[in-house]
Amino acid sequence: DGGITQSPKYLFRKEGQNVTLSCEQNLNHDAMYWYRQDPGQGLRLIYYSQIVNDFQKGDIAEGYSVSREKKESFPLTVTSAQKNPTAFYLCASSPPPDGPQHFGDGTRLSIL
Amino acid sequence: AQKVTQAQTEISVVEKEDVTLDCVYETRDTTYYLFWYKQPPSGELVFLIRRNSFDEQNEISGRYSWNFQKSTSSFNFTITASQVVDSAVYFCALDNHTGANSKLTFGKGITLSVRP
Repeated sequence: DGGITQSPKYLFRKEGQNVTLSCEQNLNHDAMYWYRQDPGQGLRLIYYSQIVNDFQKGDIAEGYSVSREKKESFPLTVTSAQKNPTAFYLCASSPPPDGPQHFGDGTRLSIL
Repeated sequence: AQKVTQAQTEISVVEKEDVTLDCVYETRDTTYYLFWYKQPPSGELVFLIRRNSFDEQNEISGRYSWNFQKSTSSFNFTITASQVVDSAVYFCALDNHTGANSKLTFGKGITLSVRP
């Protein structure tokens, strides 16, 4: 079945450590997105990518990095520079030219 | 700047009651999309509807209906005869879709609890 797969479902990070969240889609969508959700808050855009090898910062990109080497994959790295990384992270993708965004199941990141 | 306001934070109803979730938006663009997403306890966001700014027709899908009014910048969502499975967080979102860039601005969400 087509869909968006995020892994792992739960992730723990030690202080000063970088961690990478995986997002894979087999929907043949061009655009992919990363959002952060905090309790009682809406989703905020971290990074997005319209095509392979290209990506743009969203509203809260500081402390995060991404890559888009393949159409299917858009991994997000939470660096040690992100001082408050505990949150629920959601990946999305959308079809061209302007299809609605569809979301994965999310990864919950916590600090040890 | 774009903004989406969901003034209701939590709503609790008894099964079979009708419930309306409010959404008010702000944008300077004349072309935009409005969305509703459902987030059940499992966490994923489920796409419910997208409405183009030029299409003010109300829409009904089963027990769900949406009322889009540009005059009041509102895009309200009504669930008729609510069921326990409707319990979730519901997000309204706005996309001004400038050029090739689709960027969603979300409201803070409304937590709906439907009691048996």
